Amino acid sequence: AQKITQTQPGMFVQEKEAVTLDCTYDTSDPSYGLFWYKQPSSGEMIFLIYQGSYDQQNATEGRYSLNFQKARKSANLVISASQLGDSAMYFCAMREVNAGNNRKLIWGLGTSLAVNP
Amino acid sequence: DVKVTQSSRYLVKRTGEKVFLECVQDMDHENMFWYRQDPGLGLRLIYFSYDVKMKEKGDIPEGYSVSREKKERFSLILESASTNQTSMYLCASSPQSGSLRSGTQYFGPGTRLTVL
Repeated sequence: AQKITQTQPGMFVQEKEAVTLDCTYDTSDPSYGLFWYKQPSSGEMIFLIYQGSYDQQNATEGRYSLNFQKARKSANLVISASQLGDSAMYFCAMREVNAGNNRKLIWGLGTSLAVNP
Repeated sequence: DVKVTQSSRYLVKRTGEKVFLECVQDMDHENMFWYRQDPGLGLRLIYFSYDVKMKEKGDIPEGYSVSREKKERFSLILESASTNQTSMYLCASSPQSGSLRSGTQYFGPGTRLTVL
């Protein structure tokens, strides 16, 4: 079973609008971290934002925020005021602290976001 | 800022050649990782290392080996390159500490390898 599910293979958004990219996860570990990365067409993976399972507040980093709903096991990325430079692949990933190998990240398959002018 | 560099952005090799992909990080991170990325398959972990001379297999280690002789450098080796190893290869590093956030991986620019 997929541990990280990103159900939207592709998304479109108008410039200056907000967009939500979905991520659901599956774990029985009470201690875990959730990460979002951006991959532009150049190929480099860029770390965007992190949410820990014990964090009481949703993480925010500039125009990025994470809508963390622990009971629903979802960690959706919200990008406010989209810019043309936000066009990229976005990946959700999870680290399970108590897993046999807790150094690894488990990755979703990504969502391709296109920002239209 | 964390800096992870990879030896080549683009590489073209012939079937049967021995290929070395080099990765260097400058943040004194304990953990280093090699992934390959193919369309529709996401990131797949090939090998990772948690200390000098220590390595563990990831999800798809067949056809690859690794070397970590120094903490800052992690090499991926294709002993005899094959066409099905044509892919994007990404190197990453992360610190090792007790915090959850320490799992954040920082990536190099990637190497697009073509095996003819």
